[in-house]
Amino acid sequence: QKEVEQNSGPLSVPEGAIASLNCTYSDRGSQSFFWYRQYSGKSPELIMFIYSNGDKEDGRFTAQLNKASQYVSLLIRDSQPSDSATYLCAVNMRGGSQGNLIFGKGTKLSVKP
Amino acid sequence: GAVVSQHPSWVICKSGTSVKIECRSLDFQATTMFWYRQFPKQSLMLMATSNEGSKATYEQGVEKDKFLINHASLTLSTLTVTSAHPEDSSFYICSARETGVQPQHFGDGTRLSIL
Repeated sequence: QKEVEQNSGPLSVPEGAIASLNCTYSDRGSQSFFWYRQYSGKSPELIMFIYSNGDKEDGRFTAQLNKASQYVSLLIRDSQPSDSATYLCAVNMRGGSQGNLIFGKGTKLSVKP
Repeated sequence: GAVVSQHPSWVICKSGTSVKIECRSLDFQATTMFWYRQFPKQSLMLMATSNEGSKATYEQGVEKDKFLINHASLTLSTLTVTSAHPEDSSFYICSARETGVQPQHFGDGTRLSIL
């Protein structure tokens, strides 16, 4: 069973703090990893993607990948109330239906002013 | 870049009606398009994957005769919900991908309500 696991939350952080979102996946051979943000009632929006071990930074967002531990995370620095949303981790696993993404159930983030 | 347009945004219609939803990649050629369904407070559920010029691959439990998918060009895929019933009411979202390693980009979704 190919799985992507996320803590459903809600994760509550104060404005200006660092929010840390975590994700684990079952297929050790997975190659590409994505973070999407989904506001309530809206479709997912791509935040970041990462293919190699280590950190990848884009503005206030940092994605971290550790393939040995089968773990990927998203850090949001200087969190803003507008960051409040559900964050979906997605992994492109080997053997998936035509290489489609396997999504986690999402972590709901709440940033308190 | 990587804009995916989905129409219509909202559909309200009577039971038994067929509804067509369009998904277009506006600034890239999408070799693969995906159709998802999401019920309130639940995660995305993949319904089917389509490659341009090929028959769609449906996920287990999704009726291919009820959810007709056409991917006739590299920029357009359509999903037709045939003879829709109230239990088909949901948020339908398409996504498109240029190549196998590129991210999927999502349309804005279509909220379907069957009375």
